[in-house]
Amino acid sequence: QVQLQESGPGLVKPSQTLSLTCTVSGGSISSGSYYWSWIRQPAGKGLEWIGRIYTSGSTNYNPSLKSRVTISVDTSKNQFSLKLSSVTAADTAVYYCARFFRAYYFDYWGQGTLVTVSS
Amino acid sequence: DIVMTQSPDSLAVSLGERATINCKSSQSVLYSSNNKNYLAWYQQKPGQPPKLLIYWASTRESGVPDRFSGSGSGTDFTLTISSLQAEDVAVYYCQQYYSTITFGPGTKVDIK
Repeated sequence: QVQLQESGPGLVKPSQTLSLTCTVSGGSISSGSYYWSWIRQPAGKGLEWIGRIYTSGSTNYNPSLKSRVTISVDTSKNQFSLKLSSVTAADTAVYYCARFFRAYYFDYWGQGTLVTVSS
Repeated sequence: DIVMTQSPDSLAVSLGERATINCKSSQSVLYSSNNKNYLAWYQQKPGQPPKLLIYWASTRESGVPDRFSGSGSGTDFTLTISSLQAEDVAVYYCQQYYSTITFGPGTKVDIK
């Protein structure tokens, strides 16, 4: 059973960079059919796709966030990571990592981690 | 981007009754080369991540009870819970994967 776990600071100051890591267990991040993705959800609101990465390092980002987002992968650690720069209060949300089947749908999700942007 | 809308925003259904949730996309998500609708449905319970229910608009994910079904094509889709159970109380989201991923705003399902 694949499991994903987000980790990283729960509080980030405005204008700084949000950094999160997702650790994948129960399966290899290098499995051919899967991409790996980040999604966020502000409190009481809907879901916003942030971006995705393949094990080759190929990335694709939501155009609305593209200028601030970097997703990377470390296959040796079975992890992938998110960096979001120049954060504001609008970036406060629960951040989920998820397995992305062939860049179609999300079949496994982490439990999510709340990141608050505040001074 | 393809904009997804859902209706109603919320609904309350008696236990054992049918719940119907609608999802509409601003443009077709039917890919003509394979005749597949690039649409998925998720269930999110409070404090939990979303759970995949349906993909390709009508294919049930493994382990999902058969009271959940998806239908529709092109721009109009429906998620039906044939006989609502207490554990089905949740917010339901549709998601298109025809182009840049977008989600619907969600529909909250409660017990009447």
